[in-house]
Amino acid sequence: AQKITQTQPGMFVQEKEAVTLDCTYDTSDQSYGLFWYKQPSSGEMIFLIYQGSYDEQNATEGRYSLNFQKARKSANLVISASQLGDSAMYFCAMREALYNTDKLIFGTGTRLQVFP
Amino acid sequence: GAVVSQHPSRVICKSGTSVKIECRSLDFQATTMFWYRQFPKQSLMLMATSNEGSKATYEQGVEKDKFLINHASLTLSTLTVTSAHPEDSSFYICSALKTYNEQFFGPGTRLTVL
Repeated sequence: AQKITQTQPGMFVQEKEAVTLDCTYDTSDQSYGLFWYKQPSSGEMIFLIYQGSYDEQNATEGRYSLNFQKARKSANLVISASQLGDSAMYFCAMREALYNTDKLIFGTGTRLQVFP
Repeated sequence: GAVVSQHPSRVICKSGTSVKIECRSLDFQATTMFWYRQFPKQSLMLMATSNEGSKATYEQGVEKDKFLINHASLTLSTLTVTSAHPEDSSFYICSALKTYNEQFFGPGTRLTVL
């Protein structure tokens, strides 16, 4: 079974608009962390935002916010005021404490294209 | 954020040769580093966890004798692809763990085996 599911292979958004990238996860662990990374065409993975399972408030980092709905096991990334430079692949990832490891499990990614 | 470098960024080699890729954390010490492989238009697949001073932990299905990992210091991990073949051509990315919720990635190495 998929641990991290990103159901949108591709998304389009107009510049200056907001966009939501979906991510659902599956874990039986009570303690876990959720991450979003951006991967431009150059290939580097850029950390965007982190949400801990015990964090009561949704994480925010500048134009990025994470809509964390624990009961639904979703951790959607919201990008406000999209810019052309936001065009990239976006990956959702999870770290589980259950196995006493810090390794990340990645989703399949969503390709975001921002148009003028 | 922290800086992680990888060298080389691109390498082309002949089938049967070995290739070493270096991953360095430049401004922090990392007892744990990770090696990933990414095929075109696909997600990152974790290959192994590299622990400073001990043996690497490989994911199921990854040949440890083919992908040799050495974490010799707190700032350097190396991945050696031994006897490379065309099917080993891929994008290899390392990451270094700064804290439990801060994992920083290198820029990746594109390996092409002819």
